[in-house]
Amino acid sequence: EAQLLESGGGLAQPGGSLRLSCAASGFTFSDYAMSWVRQAPGKGLEWVSLLSARGDTTYYADSVKGRFTISRDNSKNTLYLQMNSLRAEDTAVYYCAKAPASVCSTSCYRNVWGQGTTVTVSS
Amino acid sequence: DIQMTQSPSTLSASVGDSVTITCRASQSITSWLAWYQQKPGKAPRLLISKASSLESGVPSRFSGSGSGTEFTLTISSLQPDDFATYYCQQYNSYPETFGQGTKVEIK
Repeated sequence: EAQLLESGGGLAQPGGSLRLSCAASGFTFSDYAMSWVRQAPGKGLEWVSLLSARGDTTYYADSVKGRFTISRDNSKNTLYLQMNSLRAEDTAVYYCAKAPASVCSTSCYRNVWGQGTTVTVSS
Repeated sequence: DIQMTQSPSTLSASVGDSVTITCRASQSITSWLAWYQQKPGKAPRLLISKASSLESGVPSRFSGSGSGTEFTLTISSLQPDDFATYYCQQYNSYPETFGQGTKVEIK
């Protein structure tokens, strides 16, 4: 069974940094594009970023472009999200989610989701 | 960006009812639409992709239809486990976007 387990969330100050991790198991991680989707408290889902299976193509939402960096280590079956210059509006549950393909040139749906990790940005 | 608008925002229904949720796109997305179910404190769960393709393991009482700009999710006989929030997502182009959600409540 495919599983995703996020970690690294917590409290950060405005302007600070956090690095999220997502450990994958139960499927061939290196065959699939992976992404981050977030959900602010009491709000809907917001796509953040997507990375191709080989790690050579990235996509970002305008709201995080230039501040967040998505990456992966296929040898460790792990996806990352480096978040810099954090703002209060980045406060959310961050979900790691698997795409059904290796490349999502026009985007993809998500067929496996992690349980999420909570990021709170506050002074 | 493609805007996704769901209606209604909240739906009150009883066990056994048939319910329909609508999702409208601000421009054509052909059939590149997915539906997710989310329960409080839990991750979203994929129900349907490509507008009408039921994900493996999803009960057959769930069905999706539509193309272009108008789509529907129908639950044919609401079960207690179905009370949740439902989201549509377009994956026709970046940035991918979600509807604001429809909460299905117990009447």
